[in-house]
Amino acid sequence: AQSVTQPDIHITVSEGASLELRCNYSYGATPYLFWYVQSPGQGLQLLLKYFSGDTLVQGIKGFEAEFKRSQSSFNLRKPSVHWSDAAEYFCAVGDTNAGKSTFGDGTTLTVKP
Amino acid sequence: DAGVIQSPRHEVTEMGQEVTLRCKPISGHNSLFWYRQTMMRGLELLIYFNNNVPIDDSGMPEDRFSAKMPNASFSTLKIQPSEPRDSAVYFCASRPQGVGELFFGEGSRLTVL
Repeated sequence: AQSVTQPDIHITVSEGASLELRCNYSYGATPYLFWYVQSPGQGLQLLLKYFSGDTLVQGIKGFEAEFKRSQSSFNLRKPSVHWSDAAEYFCAVGDTNAGKSTFGDGTTLTVKP
Repeated sequence: DAGVIQSPRHEVTEMGQEVTLRCKPISGHNSLFWYRQTMMRGLELLIYFNNNVPIDDSGMPEDRFSAKMPNASFSTLKIQPSEPRDSAVYFCASRPQGVGELFFGEGSRLTVL
């Protein structure tokens, strides 16, 4: 069965600092991978996705993620964090056969002024 | 374009009462998902539909929960009778044909007293 692990429950960074959120997945074939962001009281919004091809994918709001098959990882990065990036971030893996997505437990990002 | 629309946004009810949550997916989307989000269990897939047909309901917690999708533009999630442990945010999400990203509604926050 597919699974996603986000090792960091909570991360605090200073505004302007770089950010990396970790995601490890378990899936038998080439996965479809996603990062979503959730602001308080809102639904989840897609940041970026990986299906195939270039392993470094660009998303909205200046985020990028790199797929590393050897490490079963899909870490999210941003070179300079803004206060508005404070939110909860979810990594997800999509089942290419069944079509359903499994989500990690999320990482809450706090941005210090 | 309108996104996924959920109602009600907030529901407070007493234990034993019936609760009905509603979802209108994005027009043209073929798949619809119901998720439940809690602090303890994170984001759990309850059930999903393809072309109005339930495909996987293995996440439905017990017989008190039922979901229907009578047509392509409407779905309901019903809890009868409700219990305090059902308190959570319930999200509906839809997706076009295939295995792409999910488009989430803003959620229905349920509190069962």
